Amino acid sequence: NAGVMQNPRHLVRRRGQEARLRCSPMKGHSHVYWYRQLPEEGLKFMVYLQKENIIDESGMPKERFSAEFPKEGPSILRIQQVVRGDSAAYFCASSPPGTANEKLFFGSGTQLSVL
Amino acid sequence: AQKVTQAQTEISVVEKEDVTLDCVYETRDTTYYLFWYKQPPSGELVFLIRRNSFDEQNEISGRYSWNFQKSTSSFNFTITASQVVDSAVYFCALGGGYQKVTFGTGTKLQVIP
Repeated sequence: NAGVMQNPRHLVRRRGQEARLRCSPMKGHSHVYWYRQLPEEGLKFMVYLQKENIIDESGMPKERFSAEFPKEGPSILRIQQVVRGDSAAYFCASSPPGTANEKLFFGSGTQLSVL
Repeated sequence: AQKVTQAQTEISVVEKEDVTLDCVYETRDTTYYLFWYKQPPSGELVFLIRRNSFDEQNEISGRYSWNFQKSTSSFNFTITASQVVDSAVYFCALGGGYQKVTFGTGTKLQVIP
């Protein structure tokens, strides 16, 4: 049973470009969460999604950031017009149906570097 | 609002020493979960334990043990006879239901051979 899969593992972008981070939850999991970890800091919640629905986006910056979890395919975290301050590790997690926020299985993260 | 405090930023111990990582939390919920995660230098997040707010029994798993005390809102983590492979950043977290999982800032543990 494959774990949470994130790709790419490393992503380099120049300022102003777009970054797309993908997350495939564990098989059977219907909840997806995105967290951001800045250097030397803890994980900050960004967004919680279920299939085709955003449940809680209280941690998402108001501009340039968006997330989706379509009926088919992986969840996507999209950052438009990246800036140097977006450089961070972005972690995706998933949990089974009926267990929202009760046990999160994390992927290996995507390290975004903005030049 | 929920809050998790890990007051110890960094701890260094010599191999085979015992070490306790502190975690204090704040929540208004009566039902919640507490977690510990390990982040080794490779960067991934490894789940260690989940504790339900109604279960205050301490838990032991090999060299790891957890002390949950609701009266002091603490969920401390002890590693007995530490090993170099225990070197990592350890995160305590709080969540459950519609409350997003909130992480502490982490404690970096260095075990010196």
